[in-house]
Amino acid sequence: ETGVTQTPRHLVMGMTNKKSLKCEQHLGHNAMYWYKQSAKKPLELMFVYNFKEQTENNSVPSRFSPECPNSSHLFLHLHTLQPEDSALYLCASSLTGGDGYTFGSGTRLTVV
Amino acid sequence: GEDVEQSLFLSVREGDSSVINCTYTDSSSTYLYWYKQEPGAGLQLLTYIFSNMDMKQDQRLTVLLNKKDKHLSLRIADTQTGDSAIYFCAESVSQAGTALIFGKGTTLSVSS
Repeated sequence: ETGVTQTPRHLVMGMTNKKSLKCEQHLGHNAMYWYKQSAKKPLELMFVYNFKEQTENNSVPSRFSPECPNSSHLFLHLHTLQPEDSALYLCASSLTGGDGYTFGSGTRLTVV
Repeated sequence: GEDVEQSLFLSVREGDSSVINCTYTDSSSTYLYWYKQEPGAGLQLLTYIFSNMDMKQDQRLTVLLNKKDKHLSLRIADTQTGDSAIYFCAESVSQAGTALIFGKGTTLSVSS
């Protein structure tokens, strides 16, 4: 375990379903991130939260809705997804500074 | 714009040295990172270098930075089969919670 915990590890959902991904860290970090990792593409930044405030939304479709109730928890709410949204969704956290980011193990999402 | 480029594959024999290369475009990058991703796992921070440094060594890992050419390399000495993974180069432009820009990753395959 890295200190960043993501649940569930695997998720299969239909295009009409609503589900949520959860990320939790108790490292004392104040920034949290959602990344999408698809095959043969670079990691795509989706959202950035700094001290619970969203500071970046990287042109992500509205069918992805983030929530950050406090500095330790981050959610990604999913609804009416498309098959091309199938990917590994990675959460990361950091302190403001240059000492790197700690990633969770990811949620492998399959949209059917 | 920001872009990080890496070669996609590298194959070496056990005991040899591996050198993974990366180029980046943003000259204002403050930190450059190397991450390792094993199958089914998230990204693990291996090492990072501040942009005013030329070299950093950490046990079997040596990072070289050529800021003029915007070229970063990771050398793994005495490569082992357990080093087989995907290696990502990443840059950050500022310190205050800004997300990282990743390359597509280099798949390192180590044969015995």
